[in-house]
Amino acid sequence: DAKTTQPNSMESNEEEPVHLPCNHSTISGTDYIHWYRQLPSQGPEYVIHGLTSNVNNRMASLAIAEDRKSSTLILHRATLRDAAVYYCILRRDGGSQGNLIFGKGTKLSVKP
Amino acid sequence: GAGVSQSPSNKVTEKGKDVELRCDPISGHTALYWYRQSLGQGLEFLIYFQGNSAPDKSGLPSDRFSAERTGGSVSTLTIQRTQQEDSAVYLCASSLARGGGPQHFGDGTRLSIL
Repeated sequence: DAKTTQPNSMESNEEEPVHLPCNHSTISGTDYIHWYRQLPSQGPEYVIHGLTSNVNNRMASLAIAEDRKSSTLILHRATLRDAAVYYCILRRDGGSQGNLIFGKGTKLSVKP
Repeated sequence: GAGVSQSPSNKVTEKGKDVELRCDPISGHTALYWYRQSLGQGLEFLIYFQGNSAPDKSGLPSDRFSAERTGGSVSTLTIQRTQQEDSAVYLCASSLARGGGPQHFGDGTRLSIL
């Protein structure tokens, strides 16, 4: 799977939007962009994924650049519960590797 | 509950002892994964099972580590002759299918080797 690059940490204020960036300049045409997050003392939690088009679900939105070399996870109104490490991961659907390859992610802090 | 269940949630043992960690995946999920996370580190893949296929053991760090999955459901990760560097949180995940399906994680077993 191709590599992703994320900032080590970000800060946000409660109830404000948060934009978490991810660069993946070596992405291939069949790579899906997945986001997971890990709250303190919990296992990772799936957030959202997409291929080319922007995606929305109840947790977040995913904005994918036209050239697919970068993407942004958008939390529309951050809450204290959103404080977590956010991982951007590329998955080649149908590929031989089933496991996720986690990088260091972005540690998001949310201030009241 | 409907999620992935792991037991025990915490395990403290002496160096040299064997330990068994258990994972109950979500019912109907054919793929099961083990990862570990050392203090302040990212997740490291250990092993995964997909249906009746031979497991992918490529992430196991040494031959002291083994895992089995009985009846396509419950899995046990065994660490023999534990060492202090085995101290970590061991996480299990399951998914509906190999490849792109989201993985659902348990909250892990925190293993401490004295």
